[in-house]
Amino acid sequence: KQEVTQIPAALSVPEGENLVLNCSFTDSAIYNLQWFRQDPGKGLTSLLLIQSSQREQTSGRLNASLDKSSGRSTLYIAASQPGDSATYLCAVRPFGNEKLTFGTGTRLTIIP
Amino acid sequence: DGGITQSPKYLFRKEGQNVTLSCEQNLNHDAMYWYRQDPGQGLRLIYYSQIVNDFQKGDIAEGYSVSREKKESFPLTVTSAQKNPTAFYLCASSPRGIEAFFGQGTRLTVV
Repeated sequence: KQEVTQIPAALSVPEGENLVLNCSFTDSAIYNLQWFRQDPGKGLTSLLLIQSSQREQTSGRLNASLDKSSGRSTLYIAASQPGDSATYLCAVRPFGNEKLTFGTGTRLTIIP
Repeated sequence: DGGITQSPKYLFRKEGQNVTLSCEQNLNHDAMYWYRQDPGQGLRLIYYSQIVNDFQKGDIAEGYSVSREKKESFPLTVTSAQKNPTAFYLCASSPRGIEAFFGQGTRLTVV
């Protein structure tokens, strides 16, 4: 059974800093990995999708990397802003079916 | 507008009642999902469907039921067998193997 872990569970950093969020998964036979953000009481917003054949994806100040062999993905946020404060979740999809398994999330607070 | 619509936003259930949460998408996506989120926790998969008239149990299917009679609709029924139904319920959809998109959620409370 796929297990997805995100450490740390919570992170606070001053505005303007660069930061890295981590996602680990136990079964490396994944088809793709997706990063989301969730604001309190809201649904999830898709940030980046990395296919298993890719090493990284970029969107604006966000960069996600994938290392399947080690079962790890990182989300890099450059020049953090208070509006980046949210919970960030990663999810993996296996080959052969559409089941998405989520990590436990990292609650990020950017201090002005 | 294209997207995923969940209704209602808030729902209250009396003990012993069944309630149905609605999820509709107009994105022409094949796959649809239902997740449950408890305070301070991640998302746990209840059911998912890869195609019309087919669905699979997720990790916490007990006390829940679904149907997928139309591509755009994937309703979730929370039955009286679900002993702790108070939670935030999220519906999602995706094309096969591609990016998943989420609705805004339904908050269910037992009164």
